[in-house]
Amino acid sequence: DAGVIQSPRHEVTEMGQEVTLRCKPISGHNSLFWYRQTMMRGLELLIYFNNNVPIDDSGMPEDRFSAKMPNASFSTLKIQPSEPRDSAVYFCASSRTGLEPQHFGDGTRLSIL
Amino acid sequence: AQSVAQPEDQVNVAEGNPLTVKCTYSVSGNPYLFWYVQYPNRGLQFLLKYITGDNLVKGSYGFEAEFNKSQTSFHLKKPSALVSDSALYFCAVRDRNTDKLIFGTGTRLQVFP
Repeated sequence: DAGVIQSPRHEVTEMGQEVTLRCKPISGHNSLFWYRQTMMRGLELLIYFNNNVPIDDSGMPEDRFSAKMPNASFSTLKIQPSEPRDSAVYFCASSRTGLEPQHFGDGTRLSIL
Repeated sequence: AQSVAQPEDQVNVAEGNPLTVKCTYSVSGNPYLFWYVQYPNRGLQFLLKYITGDNLVKGSYGFEAEFNKSQTSFHLKKPSALVSDSALYFCAVRDRNTDKLIFGTGTRLQVFP
């Protein structure tokens, strides 16, 4: 298995710029999750999809954040416009529906200057 | 609401000694519990899960966890710690109605030579 693939691994940009994070889940997994990890707030679930449909986006901080899953093998998380407080590590995870564990990518470390 | 608590921010143990990382849960009904480990600059990795059956669950890298219903606990254990076990450990409970995992705040394990 190739595992969950995230890109880029690191992103540094200036505030106000648009940021797009990408995720390729494990083939055959039908649930996909976006998380954010910071020292202050720990690990937060932002949004999750099941069969490409957003099920729960209650963790999305504000309208500047949006996520899409156009097909079973690709998802994006977009921040527009970005702010310094968005600086964090963003993880994507995927799983099969049910009691199977989630598999995490290695994250995107985002720094907004 | 379902939740997990990890009462210790950090656990220190000498190499070769047994280790325990604590987790307690609060759920309605039967809990589905997970342990994950996170190494620096990596995503979370699944260690083990409890769904039903034996209260002692064996997982990866020699770790095991003991489910205790009366104490609502799911402590992670290893008989003999290695320096390479030093990492951040997360306990999680699966939401009953969705595929979401509710994570604890994490416990940093430091194993000293």
